[in-house]
Amino acid sequence: ELKVEQNPLFLSMQEGKNYTIYCNYSTTSDRLYWYRQDPGKSLESLFVLLSNGAVKQEGRLMASLDTKARLSTLHITAAVHDLSATYFCAVDTNNDMRFGAGTRLTVKP
Amino acid sequence: EPEVTQTPSHQVTQMGQEVILRCVPISNHLYFYWYRQILGQKVEFLVSFYNNEISEKSEIFDDQFSVERPDGSNFTLKIRSTKLEDSAMYFCASSETRYTNYGYTFGSGTRLTVV
Repeated sequence: ELKVEQNPLFLSMQEGKNYTIYCNYSTTSDRLYWYRQDPGKSLESLFVLLSNGAVKQEGRLMASLDTKARLSTLHITAAVHDLSATYFCAVDTNNDMRFGAGTRLTVKP
Repeated sequence: EPEVTQTPSHQVTQMGQEVILRCVPISNHLYFYWYRQILGQKVEFLVSFYNNEISEKSEIFDDQFSVERPDGSNFTLKIRSTKLEDSAMYFCASSETRYTNYGYTFGSGTRLTVV
């Protein structure tokens, strides 16, 4: 059975600091997605990583994918309060997408 | 921007009752999914649906659950006899192709409360 593991599960960081969220998965897959969820809201697509070595950046967030290591990272640069949310990685399987447990990020002033 | 629409946004039902959660996927999308999220926890896959049949289902999707595309626009999830542990947020999602370059588009969810 596919396992998708994120760490950390909870992350409290100060504004202006950098940090990385990790997503490991247990099966071969060339497609990985990152989603953001605000409290009580739906899932918003952030990044789609489609091949080994893929790197995508949007503002203060940068995602990368290493399919050989079965690892994706979401790097946060100079965090701001607006980034506070839960971030999920999701791995594409043969028929659907399976999610990690999520990382709840809190950015404090 | 096209949206996936879910109704109702919140439903309260008594244990043992049947509920139907409704979704209108994006019009040119062909692949449909249901996920659930127990409050603040993991997003769990329930079922995927394509060409009027189930492509994949998880162990959560037992005989109490069914899905249907009754017409050209709606995609429904039915729970026949709800249990307390069915209380969760249910998200519908759709995608244009199986291997999407854009990720799935999720609806805003239906919060189901079983009392």
